[in-house]
Amino acid sequence: GENVEQHPSTLSVQEGDSAVIKCTYSDSASNYFPWYKQELGKRPQLIIDIRSNVGEKKDQRIAVTLNKTAKHFSLHITETQPEDSAVYFCAATKGSNTGNQFYFGTGTSLTVIP
Amino acid sequence: EADIYQTPRYLVIGTGKKITLECSQTMGHDKMYWYQQDPGMELHLIHYSYGVNSTEKGDLSSESTVSRIRTEHFPLTLESARPSHTSQYLCASRRSAGRGGELFFGEGSRLTVL
Repeated sequence: GENVEQHPSTLSVQEGDSAVIKCTYSDSASNYFPWYKQELGKRPQLIIDIRSNVGEKKDQRIAVTLNKTAKHFSLHITETQPEDSAVYFCAATKGSNTGNQFYFGTGTSLTVIP
Repeated sequence: EADIYQTPRYLVIGTGKKITLECSQTMGHDKMYWYQQDPGMELHLIHYSYGVNSTEKGDLSSESTVSRIRTEHFPLTLESARPSHTSQYLCASRRSAGRGGELFFGEGSRLTVL
Protein backbone atom coordinates (compact mmCIF):
# COMPACT_ATOMS: atom_id res chain seq x y z
CA GLY A 1 0.00 0.00 0.00
CA GLU A 2 0.84 3.68 0.02
CA ASN A 3 3.22 5.19 2.59
CA VAL A 4 3.17 8.94 3.19
CA GLU A 5 5.94 10.60 5.21
CA GLN A 6 5.64 14.17 6.43
CA HIS A 7 8.30 16.56 7.74
CA PRO A 8 8.85 18.38 9.98
CA SER A 9 6.64 17.22 12.83
CA THR A 10 6.80 20.64 14.46
CA LEU A 11 7.54 24.05 12.96
CA SER A 12 7.77 27.48 14.56
CA VAL A 13 8.01 30.63 12.47
CA GLN A 14 7.84 34.35 13.14
CA GLU A 15 4.72 36.12 11.93
CA GLY A 16 5.26 37.26 8.36
CA ASP A 17 7.80 34.57 7.54
CA SER A 18 7.15 31.63 5.23
CA ALA A 19 6.50 28.03 6.26
CA VAL A 20 7.15 24.93 4.19
CA ILE A 21 5.94 21.42 4.95
CA LYS A 22 7.08 18.47 2.86
CA CYS A 23 5.58 15.07 2.16
CA THR A 24 6.81 12.07 0.23
CA TYR A 25 4.74 9.18 -1.05
CA SER A 26 5.65 5.71 -2.24
CA ASP A 27 2.95 4.64 -4.72
CA SER A 28 3.48 6.18 -8.16
CA ALA A 29 -0.22 5.48 -8.94
CA SER A 30 -1.35 8.06 -6.38
CA ASN A 31 -2.84 10.99 -8.25
CA TYR A 32 -4.61 13.25 -5.76
CA PHE A 33 -2.82 15.08 -2.94
CA PRO A 34 -4.89 17.16 -0.50
CA TRP A 35 -3.72 19.20 2.48
CA TYR A 36 -5.86 19.48 5.61
CA LYS A 37 -5.65 22.03 8.41
CA GLN A 38 -6.82 21.08 11.88
CA GLU A 39 -7.14 23.83 14.45
CA LEU A 40 -7.13 22.93 18.12
CA GLY A 41 -10.32 21.08 19.03
CA LYS A 42 -11.71 21.36 15.52
CA ARG A 43 -12.25 18.95 12.63
CA PRO A 44 -9.68 18.71 9.78
CA GLN A 45 -10.63 20.90 6.82
CA LEU A 46 -9.30 20.92 3.28
CA ILE A 47 -7.21 23.99 2.50
CA ILE A 48 -5.73 23.11 -0.89
CA ASP A 49 -5.27 20.09 -3.12
CA ILE A 50 -3.40 19.16 -6.27
CA ARG A 51 -3.86 16.48 -8.90
CA SER A 52 -1.07 14.62 -10.62
CA ASN A 53 -1.50 16.42 -13.93
CA VAL A 54 -0.54 19.75 -12.33
CA GLY A 55 2.84 20.83 -10.93
CA GLU A 56 1.76 23.76 -8.80
CA LYS A 57 -1.40 25.32 -7.45
CA LYS A 58 -1.83 28.56 -5.57
CA ASP A 59 -4.61 30.06 -3.47
CA GLN A 60 -3.78 33.44 -1.98
CA ARG A 61 -1.06 32.85 0.66
CA ILE A 62 -0.93 29.07 0.29
CA ALA A 63 0.53 27.01 -2.53
CA VAL A 64 1.25 23.36 -3.17
CA THR A 65 3.91 21.96 -5.46
CA LEU A 66 4.14 18.40 -6.78
CA ASN A 67 7.15 16.56 -8.15
CA LYS A 68 5.86 13.27 -9.56
CA THR A 69 9.30 12.02 -10.53
CA ALA A 70 10.65 12.38 -7.01
CA LYS A 71 7.26 11.49 -5.49
CA HIS A 72 7.08 14.45 -3.16
CA PHE A 73 4.78 17.41 -2.65
CA SER A 74 5.03 20.46 -0.45
CA LEU A 75 2.79 23.05 1.20
CA HIS A 76 4.02 26.64 1.19
CA ILE A 77 2.46 29.31 3.38
CA THR A 78 3.69 32.86 2.84
CA GLU A 79 3.25 35.89 5.10
CA THR A 80 2.23 33.66 7.99
CA GLN A 81 -0.29 34.93 10.52
CA PRO A 82 -1.13 33.71 14.05
CA GLU A 83 -4.36 32.16 12.72
CA ASP A 84 -2.24 29.84 10.57
CA SER A 85 -1.20 28.05 13.78
CA ALA A 86 -2.64 24.53 13.52
CA VAL A 87 -1.74 20.96 12.67
CA TYR A 88 -1.41 20.33 8.94
CA PHE A 89 -1.84 16.91 7.34
CA CYS A 90 -0.89 15.87 3.84
CA ALA A 91 -2.55 12.91 2.14
CA ALA A 92 -2.28 10.84 -1.00
CA THR A 93 -4.85 8.72 -2.77
CA LYS A 94 -5.48 6.90 -6.03
CA GLY A 95 -8.62 8.10 -7.72
CA SER A 96 -10.00 4.81 -8.93
CA ASN A 97 -13.66 4.04 -8.38
CA THR A 98 -13.05 1.58 -5.54
CA GLY A 99 -9.46 1.88 -4.36
CA ASN A 100 -9.38 5.47 -3.21
CA GLN A 101 -8.48 5.12 0.42
CA PHE A 102 -6.76 8.24 1.78
CA TYR A 103 -3.27 7.80 3.23
CA PHE A 104 -2.38 10.59 5.66
CA GLY A 105 0.99 11.89 6.80
CA THR A 106 1.73 12.09 10.52
CA GLY A 107 1.00 15.82 10.74
CA THR A 108 2.99 19.03 11.26
CA SER A 109 2.23 21.28 14.20
CA LEU A 110 2.80 24.84 13.00
CA THR A 111 3.15 27.68 15.48
CA VAL A 112 3.25 31.25 14.23
CA ILE A 113 4.86 33.52 16.80
CA PRO A 114 3.41 37.06 16.85
CA GLU B 1 -27.52 22.40 5.87
CA ALA B 2 -25.53 19.62 4.23
CA ASP B 3 -22.99 18.34 6.71
CA ILE B 4 -21.69 15.27 8.51
CA TYR B 5 -22.94 14.76 12.05
CA GLN B 6 -21.51 12.70 14.87
CA THR B 7 -23.07 11.73 18.18
CA PRO B 8 -22.26 11.67 20.98
CA ARG B 9 -19.66 14.43 20.93
CA TYR B 10 -18.32 13.36 24.32
CA LEU B 11 -18.71 10.05 26.15
CA VAL B 12 -17.27 8.60 29.35
CA ILE B 13 -17.88 4.90 29.95
CA GLY B 14 -16.54 2.03 31.99
CA THR B 15 -14.39 -0.85 30.80
CA GLY B 16 -16.29 -3.68 29.17
CA LYS B 17 -19.24 -1.59 28.01
CA LYS B 18 -20.58 -1.81 24.48
CA ILE B 19 -20.90 1.51 22.69
CA THR B 20 -22.01 2.74 19.30
CA LEU B 21 -20.79 5.99 17.80
CA GLU B 22 -23.23 7.43 15.31
CA CYS B 23 -22.34 9.16 12.03
CA SER B 24 -24.78 10.59 9.51
CA GLN B 25 -24.15 12.72 6.45
CA THR B 26 -26.66 14.71 4.42
CA MET B 27 -24.40 15.31 1.41
CA GLY B 28 -25.40 12.21 -0.55
CA HIS B 29 -21.85 10.82 -0.43
CA ASP B 30 -21.26 7.17 -1.21
CA LYS B 31 -17.94 6.77 0.54
CA MET B 32 -17.64 6.97 4.33
CA TYR B 33 -14.71 6.48 6.70
CA TRP B 34 -13.91 6.17 10.40
CA TYR B 35 -10.59 7.46 11.73
CA GLN B 36 -9.12 7.31 15.23
CA GLN B 37 -7.04 10.31 16.28
CA ASP B 38 -5.34 11.29 19.52
CA PRO B 39 -5.42 15.13 19.80
CA GLY B 40 -3.30 16.70 17.08
CA MET B 41 -1.77 13.38 16.16
CA GLU B 42 -1.85 11.00 13.20
CA LEU B 43 -5.14 9.84 11.68
CA HIS B 44 -5.54 6.06 11.76
CA LEU B 45 -8.12 4.49 9.43
CA ILE B 46 -10.42 2.08 11.28
CA HIS B 47 -13.09 1.20 8.70
CA TYR B 48 -14.41 2.47 5.39
CA SER B 49 -17.37 1.90 3.10
CA TYR B 50 -17.88 2.49 -0.60
CA GLY B 51 -21.65 2.26 -0.41
CA VAL B 52 -24.60 0.41 1.07
CA ASN B 53 -23.69 -3.09 2.30
CA SER B 54 -20.00 -2.42 1.58
CA THR B 55 -17.53 -2.28 4.49
CA GLU B 56 -13.75 -2.71 4.62
CA LYS B 57 -11.28 -2.86 7.49
CA GLY B 58 -8.52 -0.33 7.95
CA ASP B 59 -5.42 -0.43 10.14
CA LEU B 60 -7.07 -0.49 13.57
CA SER B 61 -10.27 -2.38 12.89
CA SER B 62 -9.83 -5.54 14.94
CA GLU B 63 -11.75 -4.35 17.99
CA SER B 64 -14.67 -2.62 16.32
CA THR B 65 -17.38 -3.21 13.74
CA VAL B 66 -19.35 -1.03 11.34
CA SER B 67 -22.48 -1.35 9.25
CA ARG B 68 -23.79 0.51 6.19
CA ILE B 69 -27.46 -0.26 5.79
CA ARG B 70 -28.36 3.24 4.58
CA THR B 71 -26.26 5.56 2.44
CA GLU B 72 -26.32 8.37 4.96
CA HIS B 73 -25.60 6.33 8.11
CA PHE B 74 -22.31 4.65 9.15
CA PRO B 75 -22.25 3.67 12.85
CA LEU B 76 -19.15 2.34 14.62
CA THR B 77 -19.53 -0.19 17.46
CA LEU B 78 -17.03 -1.16 20.14
CA GLU B 79 -18.21 -4.47 21.59
CA SER B 80 -16.16 -4.21 24.79
CA ALA B 81 -14.53 -0.87 25.51
CA ARG B 82 -11.04 -0.74 27.06
CA PRO B 83 -8.95 2.20 28.35
CA SER B 84 -6.79 1.85 25.20
CA HIS B 85 -9.86 2.92 23.20
CA THR B 86 -9.73 6.36 24.81
CA SER B 87 -9.34 8.67 21.83
CA GLN B 88 -11.19 10.88 19.38
CA TYR B 89 -13.12 9.18 16.58
CA LEU B 90 -13.64 11.11 13.35
CA CYS B 91 -16.18 10.15 10.72
CA ALA B 92 -15.65 11.37 7.14
CA SER B 93 -17.33 11.13 3.76
CA ARG B 94 -16.71 12.01 0.14
CA ARG B 95 -18.46 11.80 -3.21
CA SER B 96 -17.96 8.76 -5.39
CA ALA B 97 -17.88 10.13 -8.92
CA GLY B 98 -14.63 11.12 -10.54
CA ARG B 99 -11.07 11.14 -9.30
CA GLY B 100 -10.09 12.50 -5.95
CA GLY B 101 -12.67 14.66 -4.25
CA GLU B 102 -12.68 16.44 -0.91
CA LEU B 103 -12.96 14.39 2.25
CA PHE B 104 -15.39 16.04 4.70
CA PHE B 105 -14.97 15.34 8.40
CA GLY B 106 -17.45 15.36 11.24
CA GLU B 107 -16.68 17.19 14.48
CA GLY B 108 -15.64 13.98 16.19
CA SER B 109 -16.67 11.85 19.16
CA ARG B 110 -14.31 12.06 22.09
CA LEU B 111 -14.38 8.79 24.03
CA THR B 112 -12.95 8.19 27.49
CA VAL B 113 -12.92 4.64 28.87
CA LEU B 114 -12.28 4.36 32.60
